[in-house]
Amino acid sequence: GAVVSQHPSWVICKSGTSVKIECRSLDFQATTMFWYRQFPKQSLMLMATSNEGSKATYEQGVEKDKFLINHASLTLSTLTVTSAHPEDSSFYICSAPVQPAREQYFGPGTRLTVT
Amino acid sequence: AQSVTQLGSHVSVSEGALVLLRCNYSSSVPPYLFWYVQYPNQGLQLLLKYTSAATLVKGINGFEAEFKKSETSFHLTKPSAHMSDAAEYFCAVVLSGGYNKLIFGAGTRLAVHP
Repeated sequence: GAVVSQHPSWVICKSGTSVKIECRSLDFQATTMFWYRQFPKQSLMLMATSNEGSKATYEQGVEKDKFLINHASLTLSTLTVTSAHPEDSSFYICSAPVQPAREQYFGPGTRLTVT
Repeated sequence: AQSVTQLGSHVSVSEGALVLLRCNYSSSVPPYLFWYVQYPNQGLQLLLKYTSAATLVKGINGFEAEFKKSETSFHLTKPSAHMSDAAEYFCAVVLSGGYNKLIFGAGTRLAVHP
């Protein structure tokens, strides 16, 4: 099956700094990728849709200036959490759909802790 | 608008017992439905999917689900639970209108006791 990787798998940063998370499709091309965040014992919340070669589409309530998304190539999307605060601590997961089945393949997630 | 509701945030079964995780959907168009499993601190793994072909869908690890339009349900079952089945399970529906956005249910945590 299709494989999606994320890097890093976990990161600790200080409040006020920025953190970049990478999402890669390893064996297929993805013109679209999705970014989710998941709080402990909760479901996944879609943050944004990353589109190769164009601007990301953010879900309502997600600050686009805080969560910068860049889809630089057909296999790489990045999420940068700018000026991170402790409340940004969460589990961030990316996914990419595989056509035409419409199923999505998920990365292993990145645990972000802001101190 | 499409949505999914998972009944029961926690389900506990004994090893060898039947597993039944409930999912009801709301959709004005024929839905694409999925079940995913998440182990601690990991991403999601696809268990099975319904894409309007057979109503009884078989997935990995012995799981299956039956699409029932009359009941707007897509419940996940497994005849005999294993300890390794303990995890979080999510039902999801693809949002119509393109882009393959997934809408997730709240999740059900399955505990398996010896």
